[in-house]
Amino acid sequence: QVQLVQSGSELKKPGASVKVSCKASGYTFTSYGMNWLRQAPGQGLEWMGWINPSTGNPRYVQGFTGRFVFSLDTSVSTAYLQISSLKAEDTAVYYCVAADGYFFDYWGQGTLVTVSS
Amino acid sequence: HSALTQPASVSGSPGQSITISCTGTSSDVGAYNYVSWYQQHPDKAPKLIIYEVSNRPSGVPDRFSGSKSGNTASLTISGLRAEDEADYYCNSYTTINTWVFGGGTKLTVL
Repeated sequence: QVQLVQSGSELKKPGASVKVSCKASGYTFTSYGMNWLRQAPGQGLEWMGWINPSTGNPRYVQGFTGRFVFSLDTSVSTAYLQISSLKAEDTAVYYCVAADGYFFDYWGQGTLVTVSS
Repeated sequence: HSALTQPASVSGSPGQSITISCTGTSSDVGAYNYVSWYQQHPDKAPKLIIYEVSNRPSGVPDRFSGSKSGNTASLTISGLRAEDEADYYCNSYTTINTWVFGGGTKLTVL
């Protein structure tokens, strides 16, 4: 069965960087687009963008450009989200989500990133 | 694209039916039949319950149904059960090749 397993919670200071991993199994890694979503505490879901595992091309939605980078290591079926120059407002749960079509089928368990001095 | 509009909360008693609306525009909900719904229990990842307006993934009870009229999509849950108490989010693909979510609806089973 399809599984996405994300790395554990992170506590970072403002200005630091963080890299969240998302290891996929149960399907051919290049078959599904890999999306990243954010959920701030007590808030709704935001689509940050996606990366095409076949080409490696990322797309970032407005508001998630510059400090946010999506990357892949197809040799280990793993996607990454790196956030640099962290701010308090980056505190959120970040989800990787594999999409087979125009909907979000398979979700990672989420990674809580807390930014606090 | 602004977030889709959902009611902040709805409630119902066990056995009853409830409907959650999701209003967008002609550039998202009204443009395609690519509306999906997600159920999220506290401290859990969301789960896909409806895709392409009215299709249920395997394992989702047929108590959950979806529909769309114009720029408004709806999720109906019939025969409410205690375990249906959760947050529900609608989502739509847009004409600029992005996805947009609704703000979420908290369902309380009385």
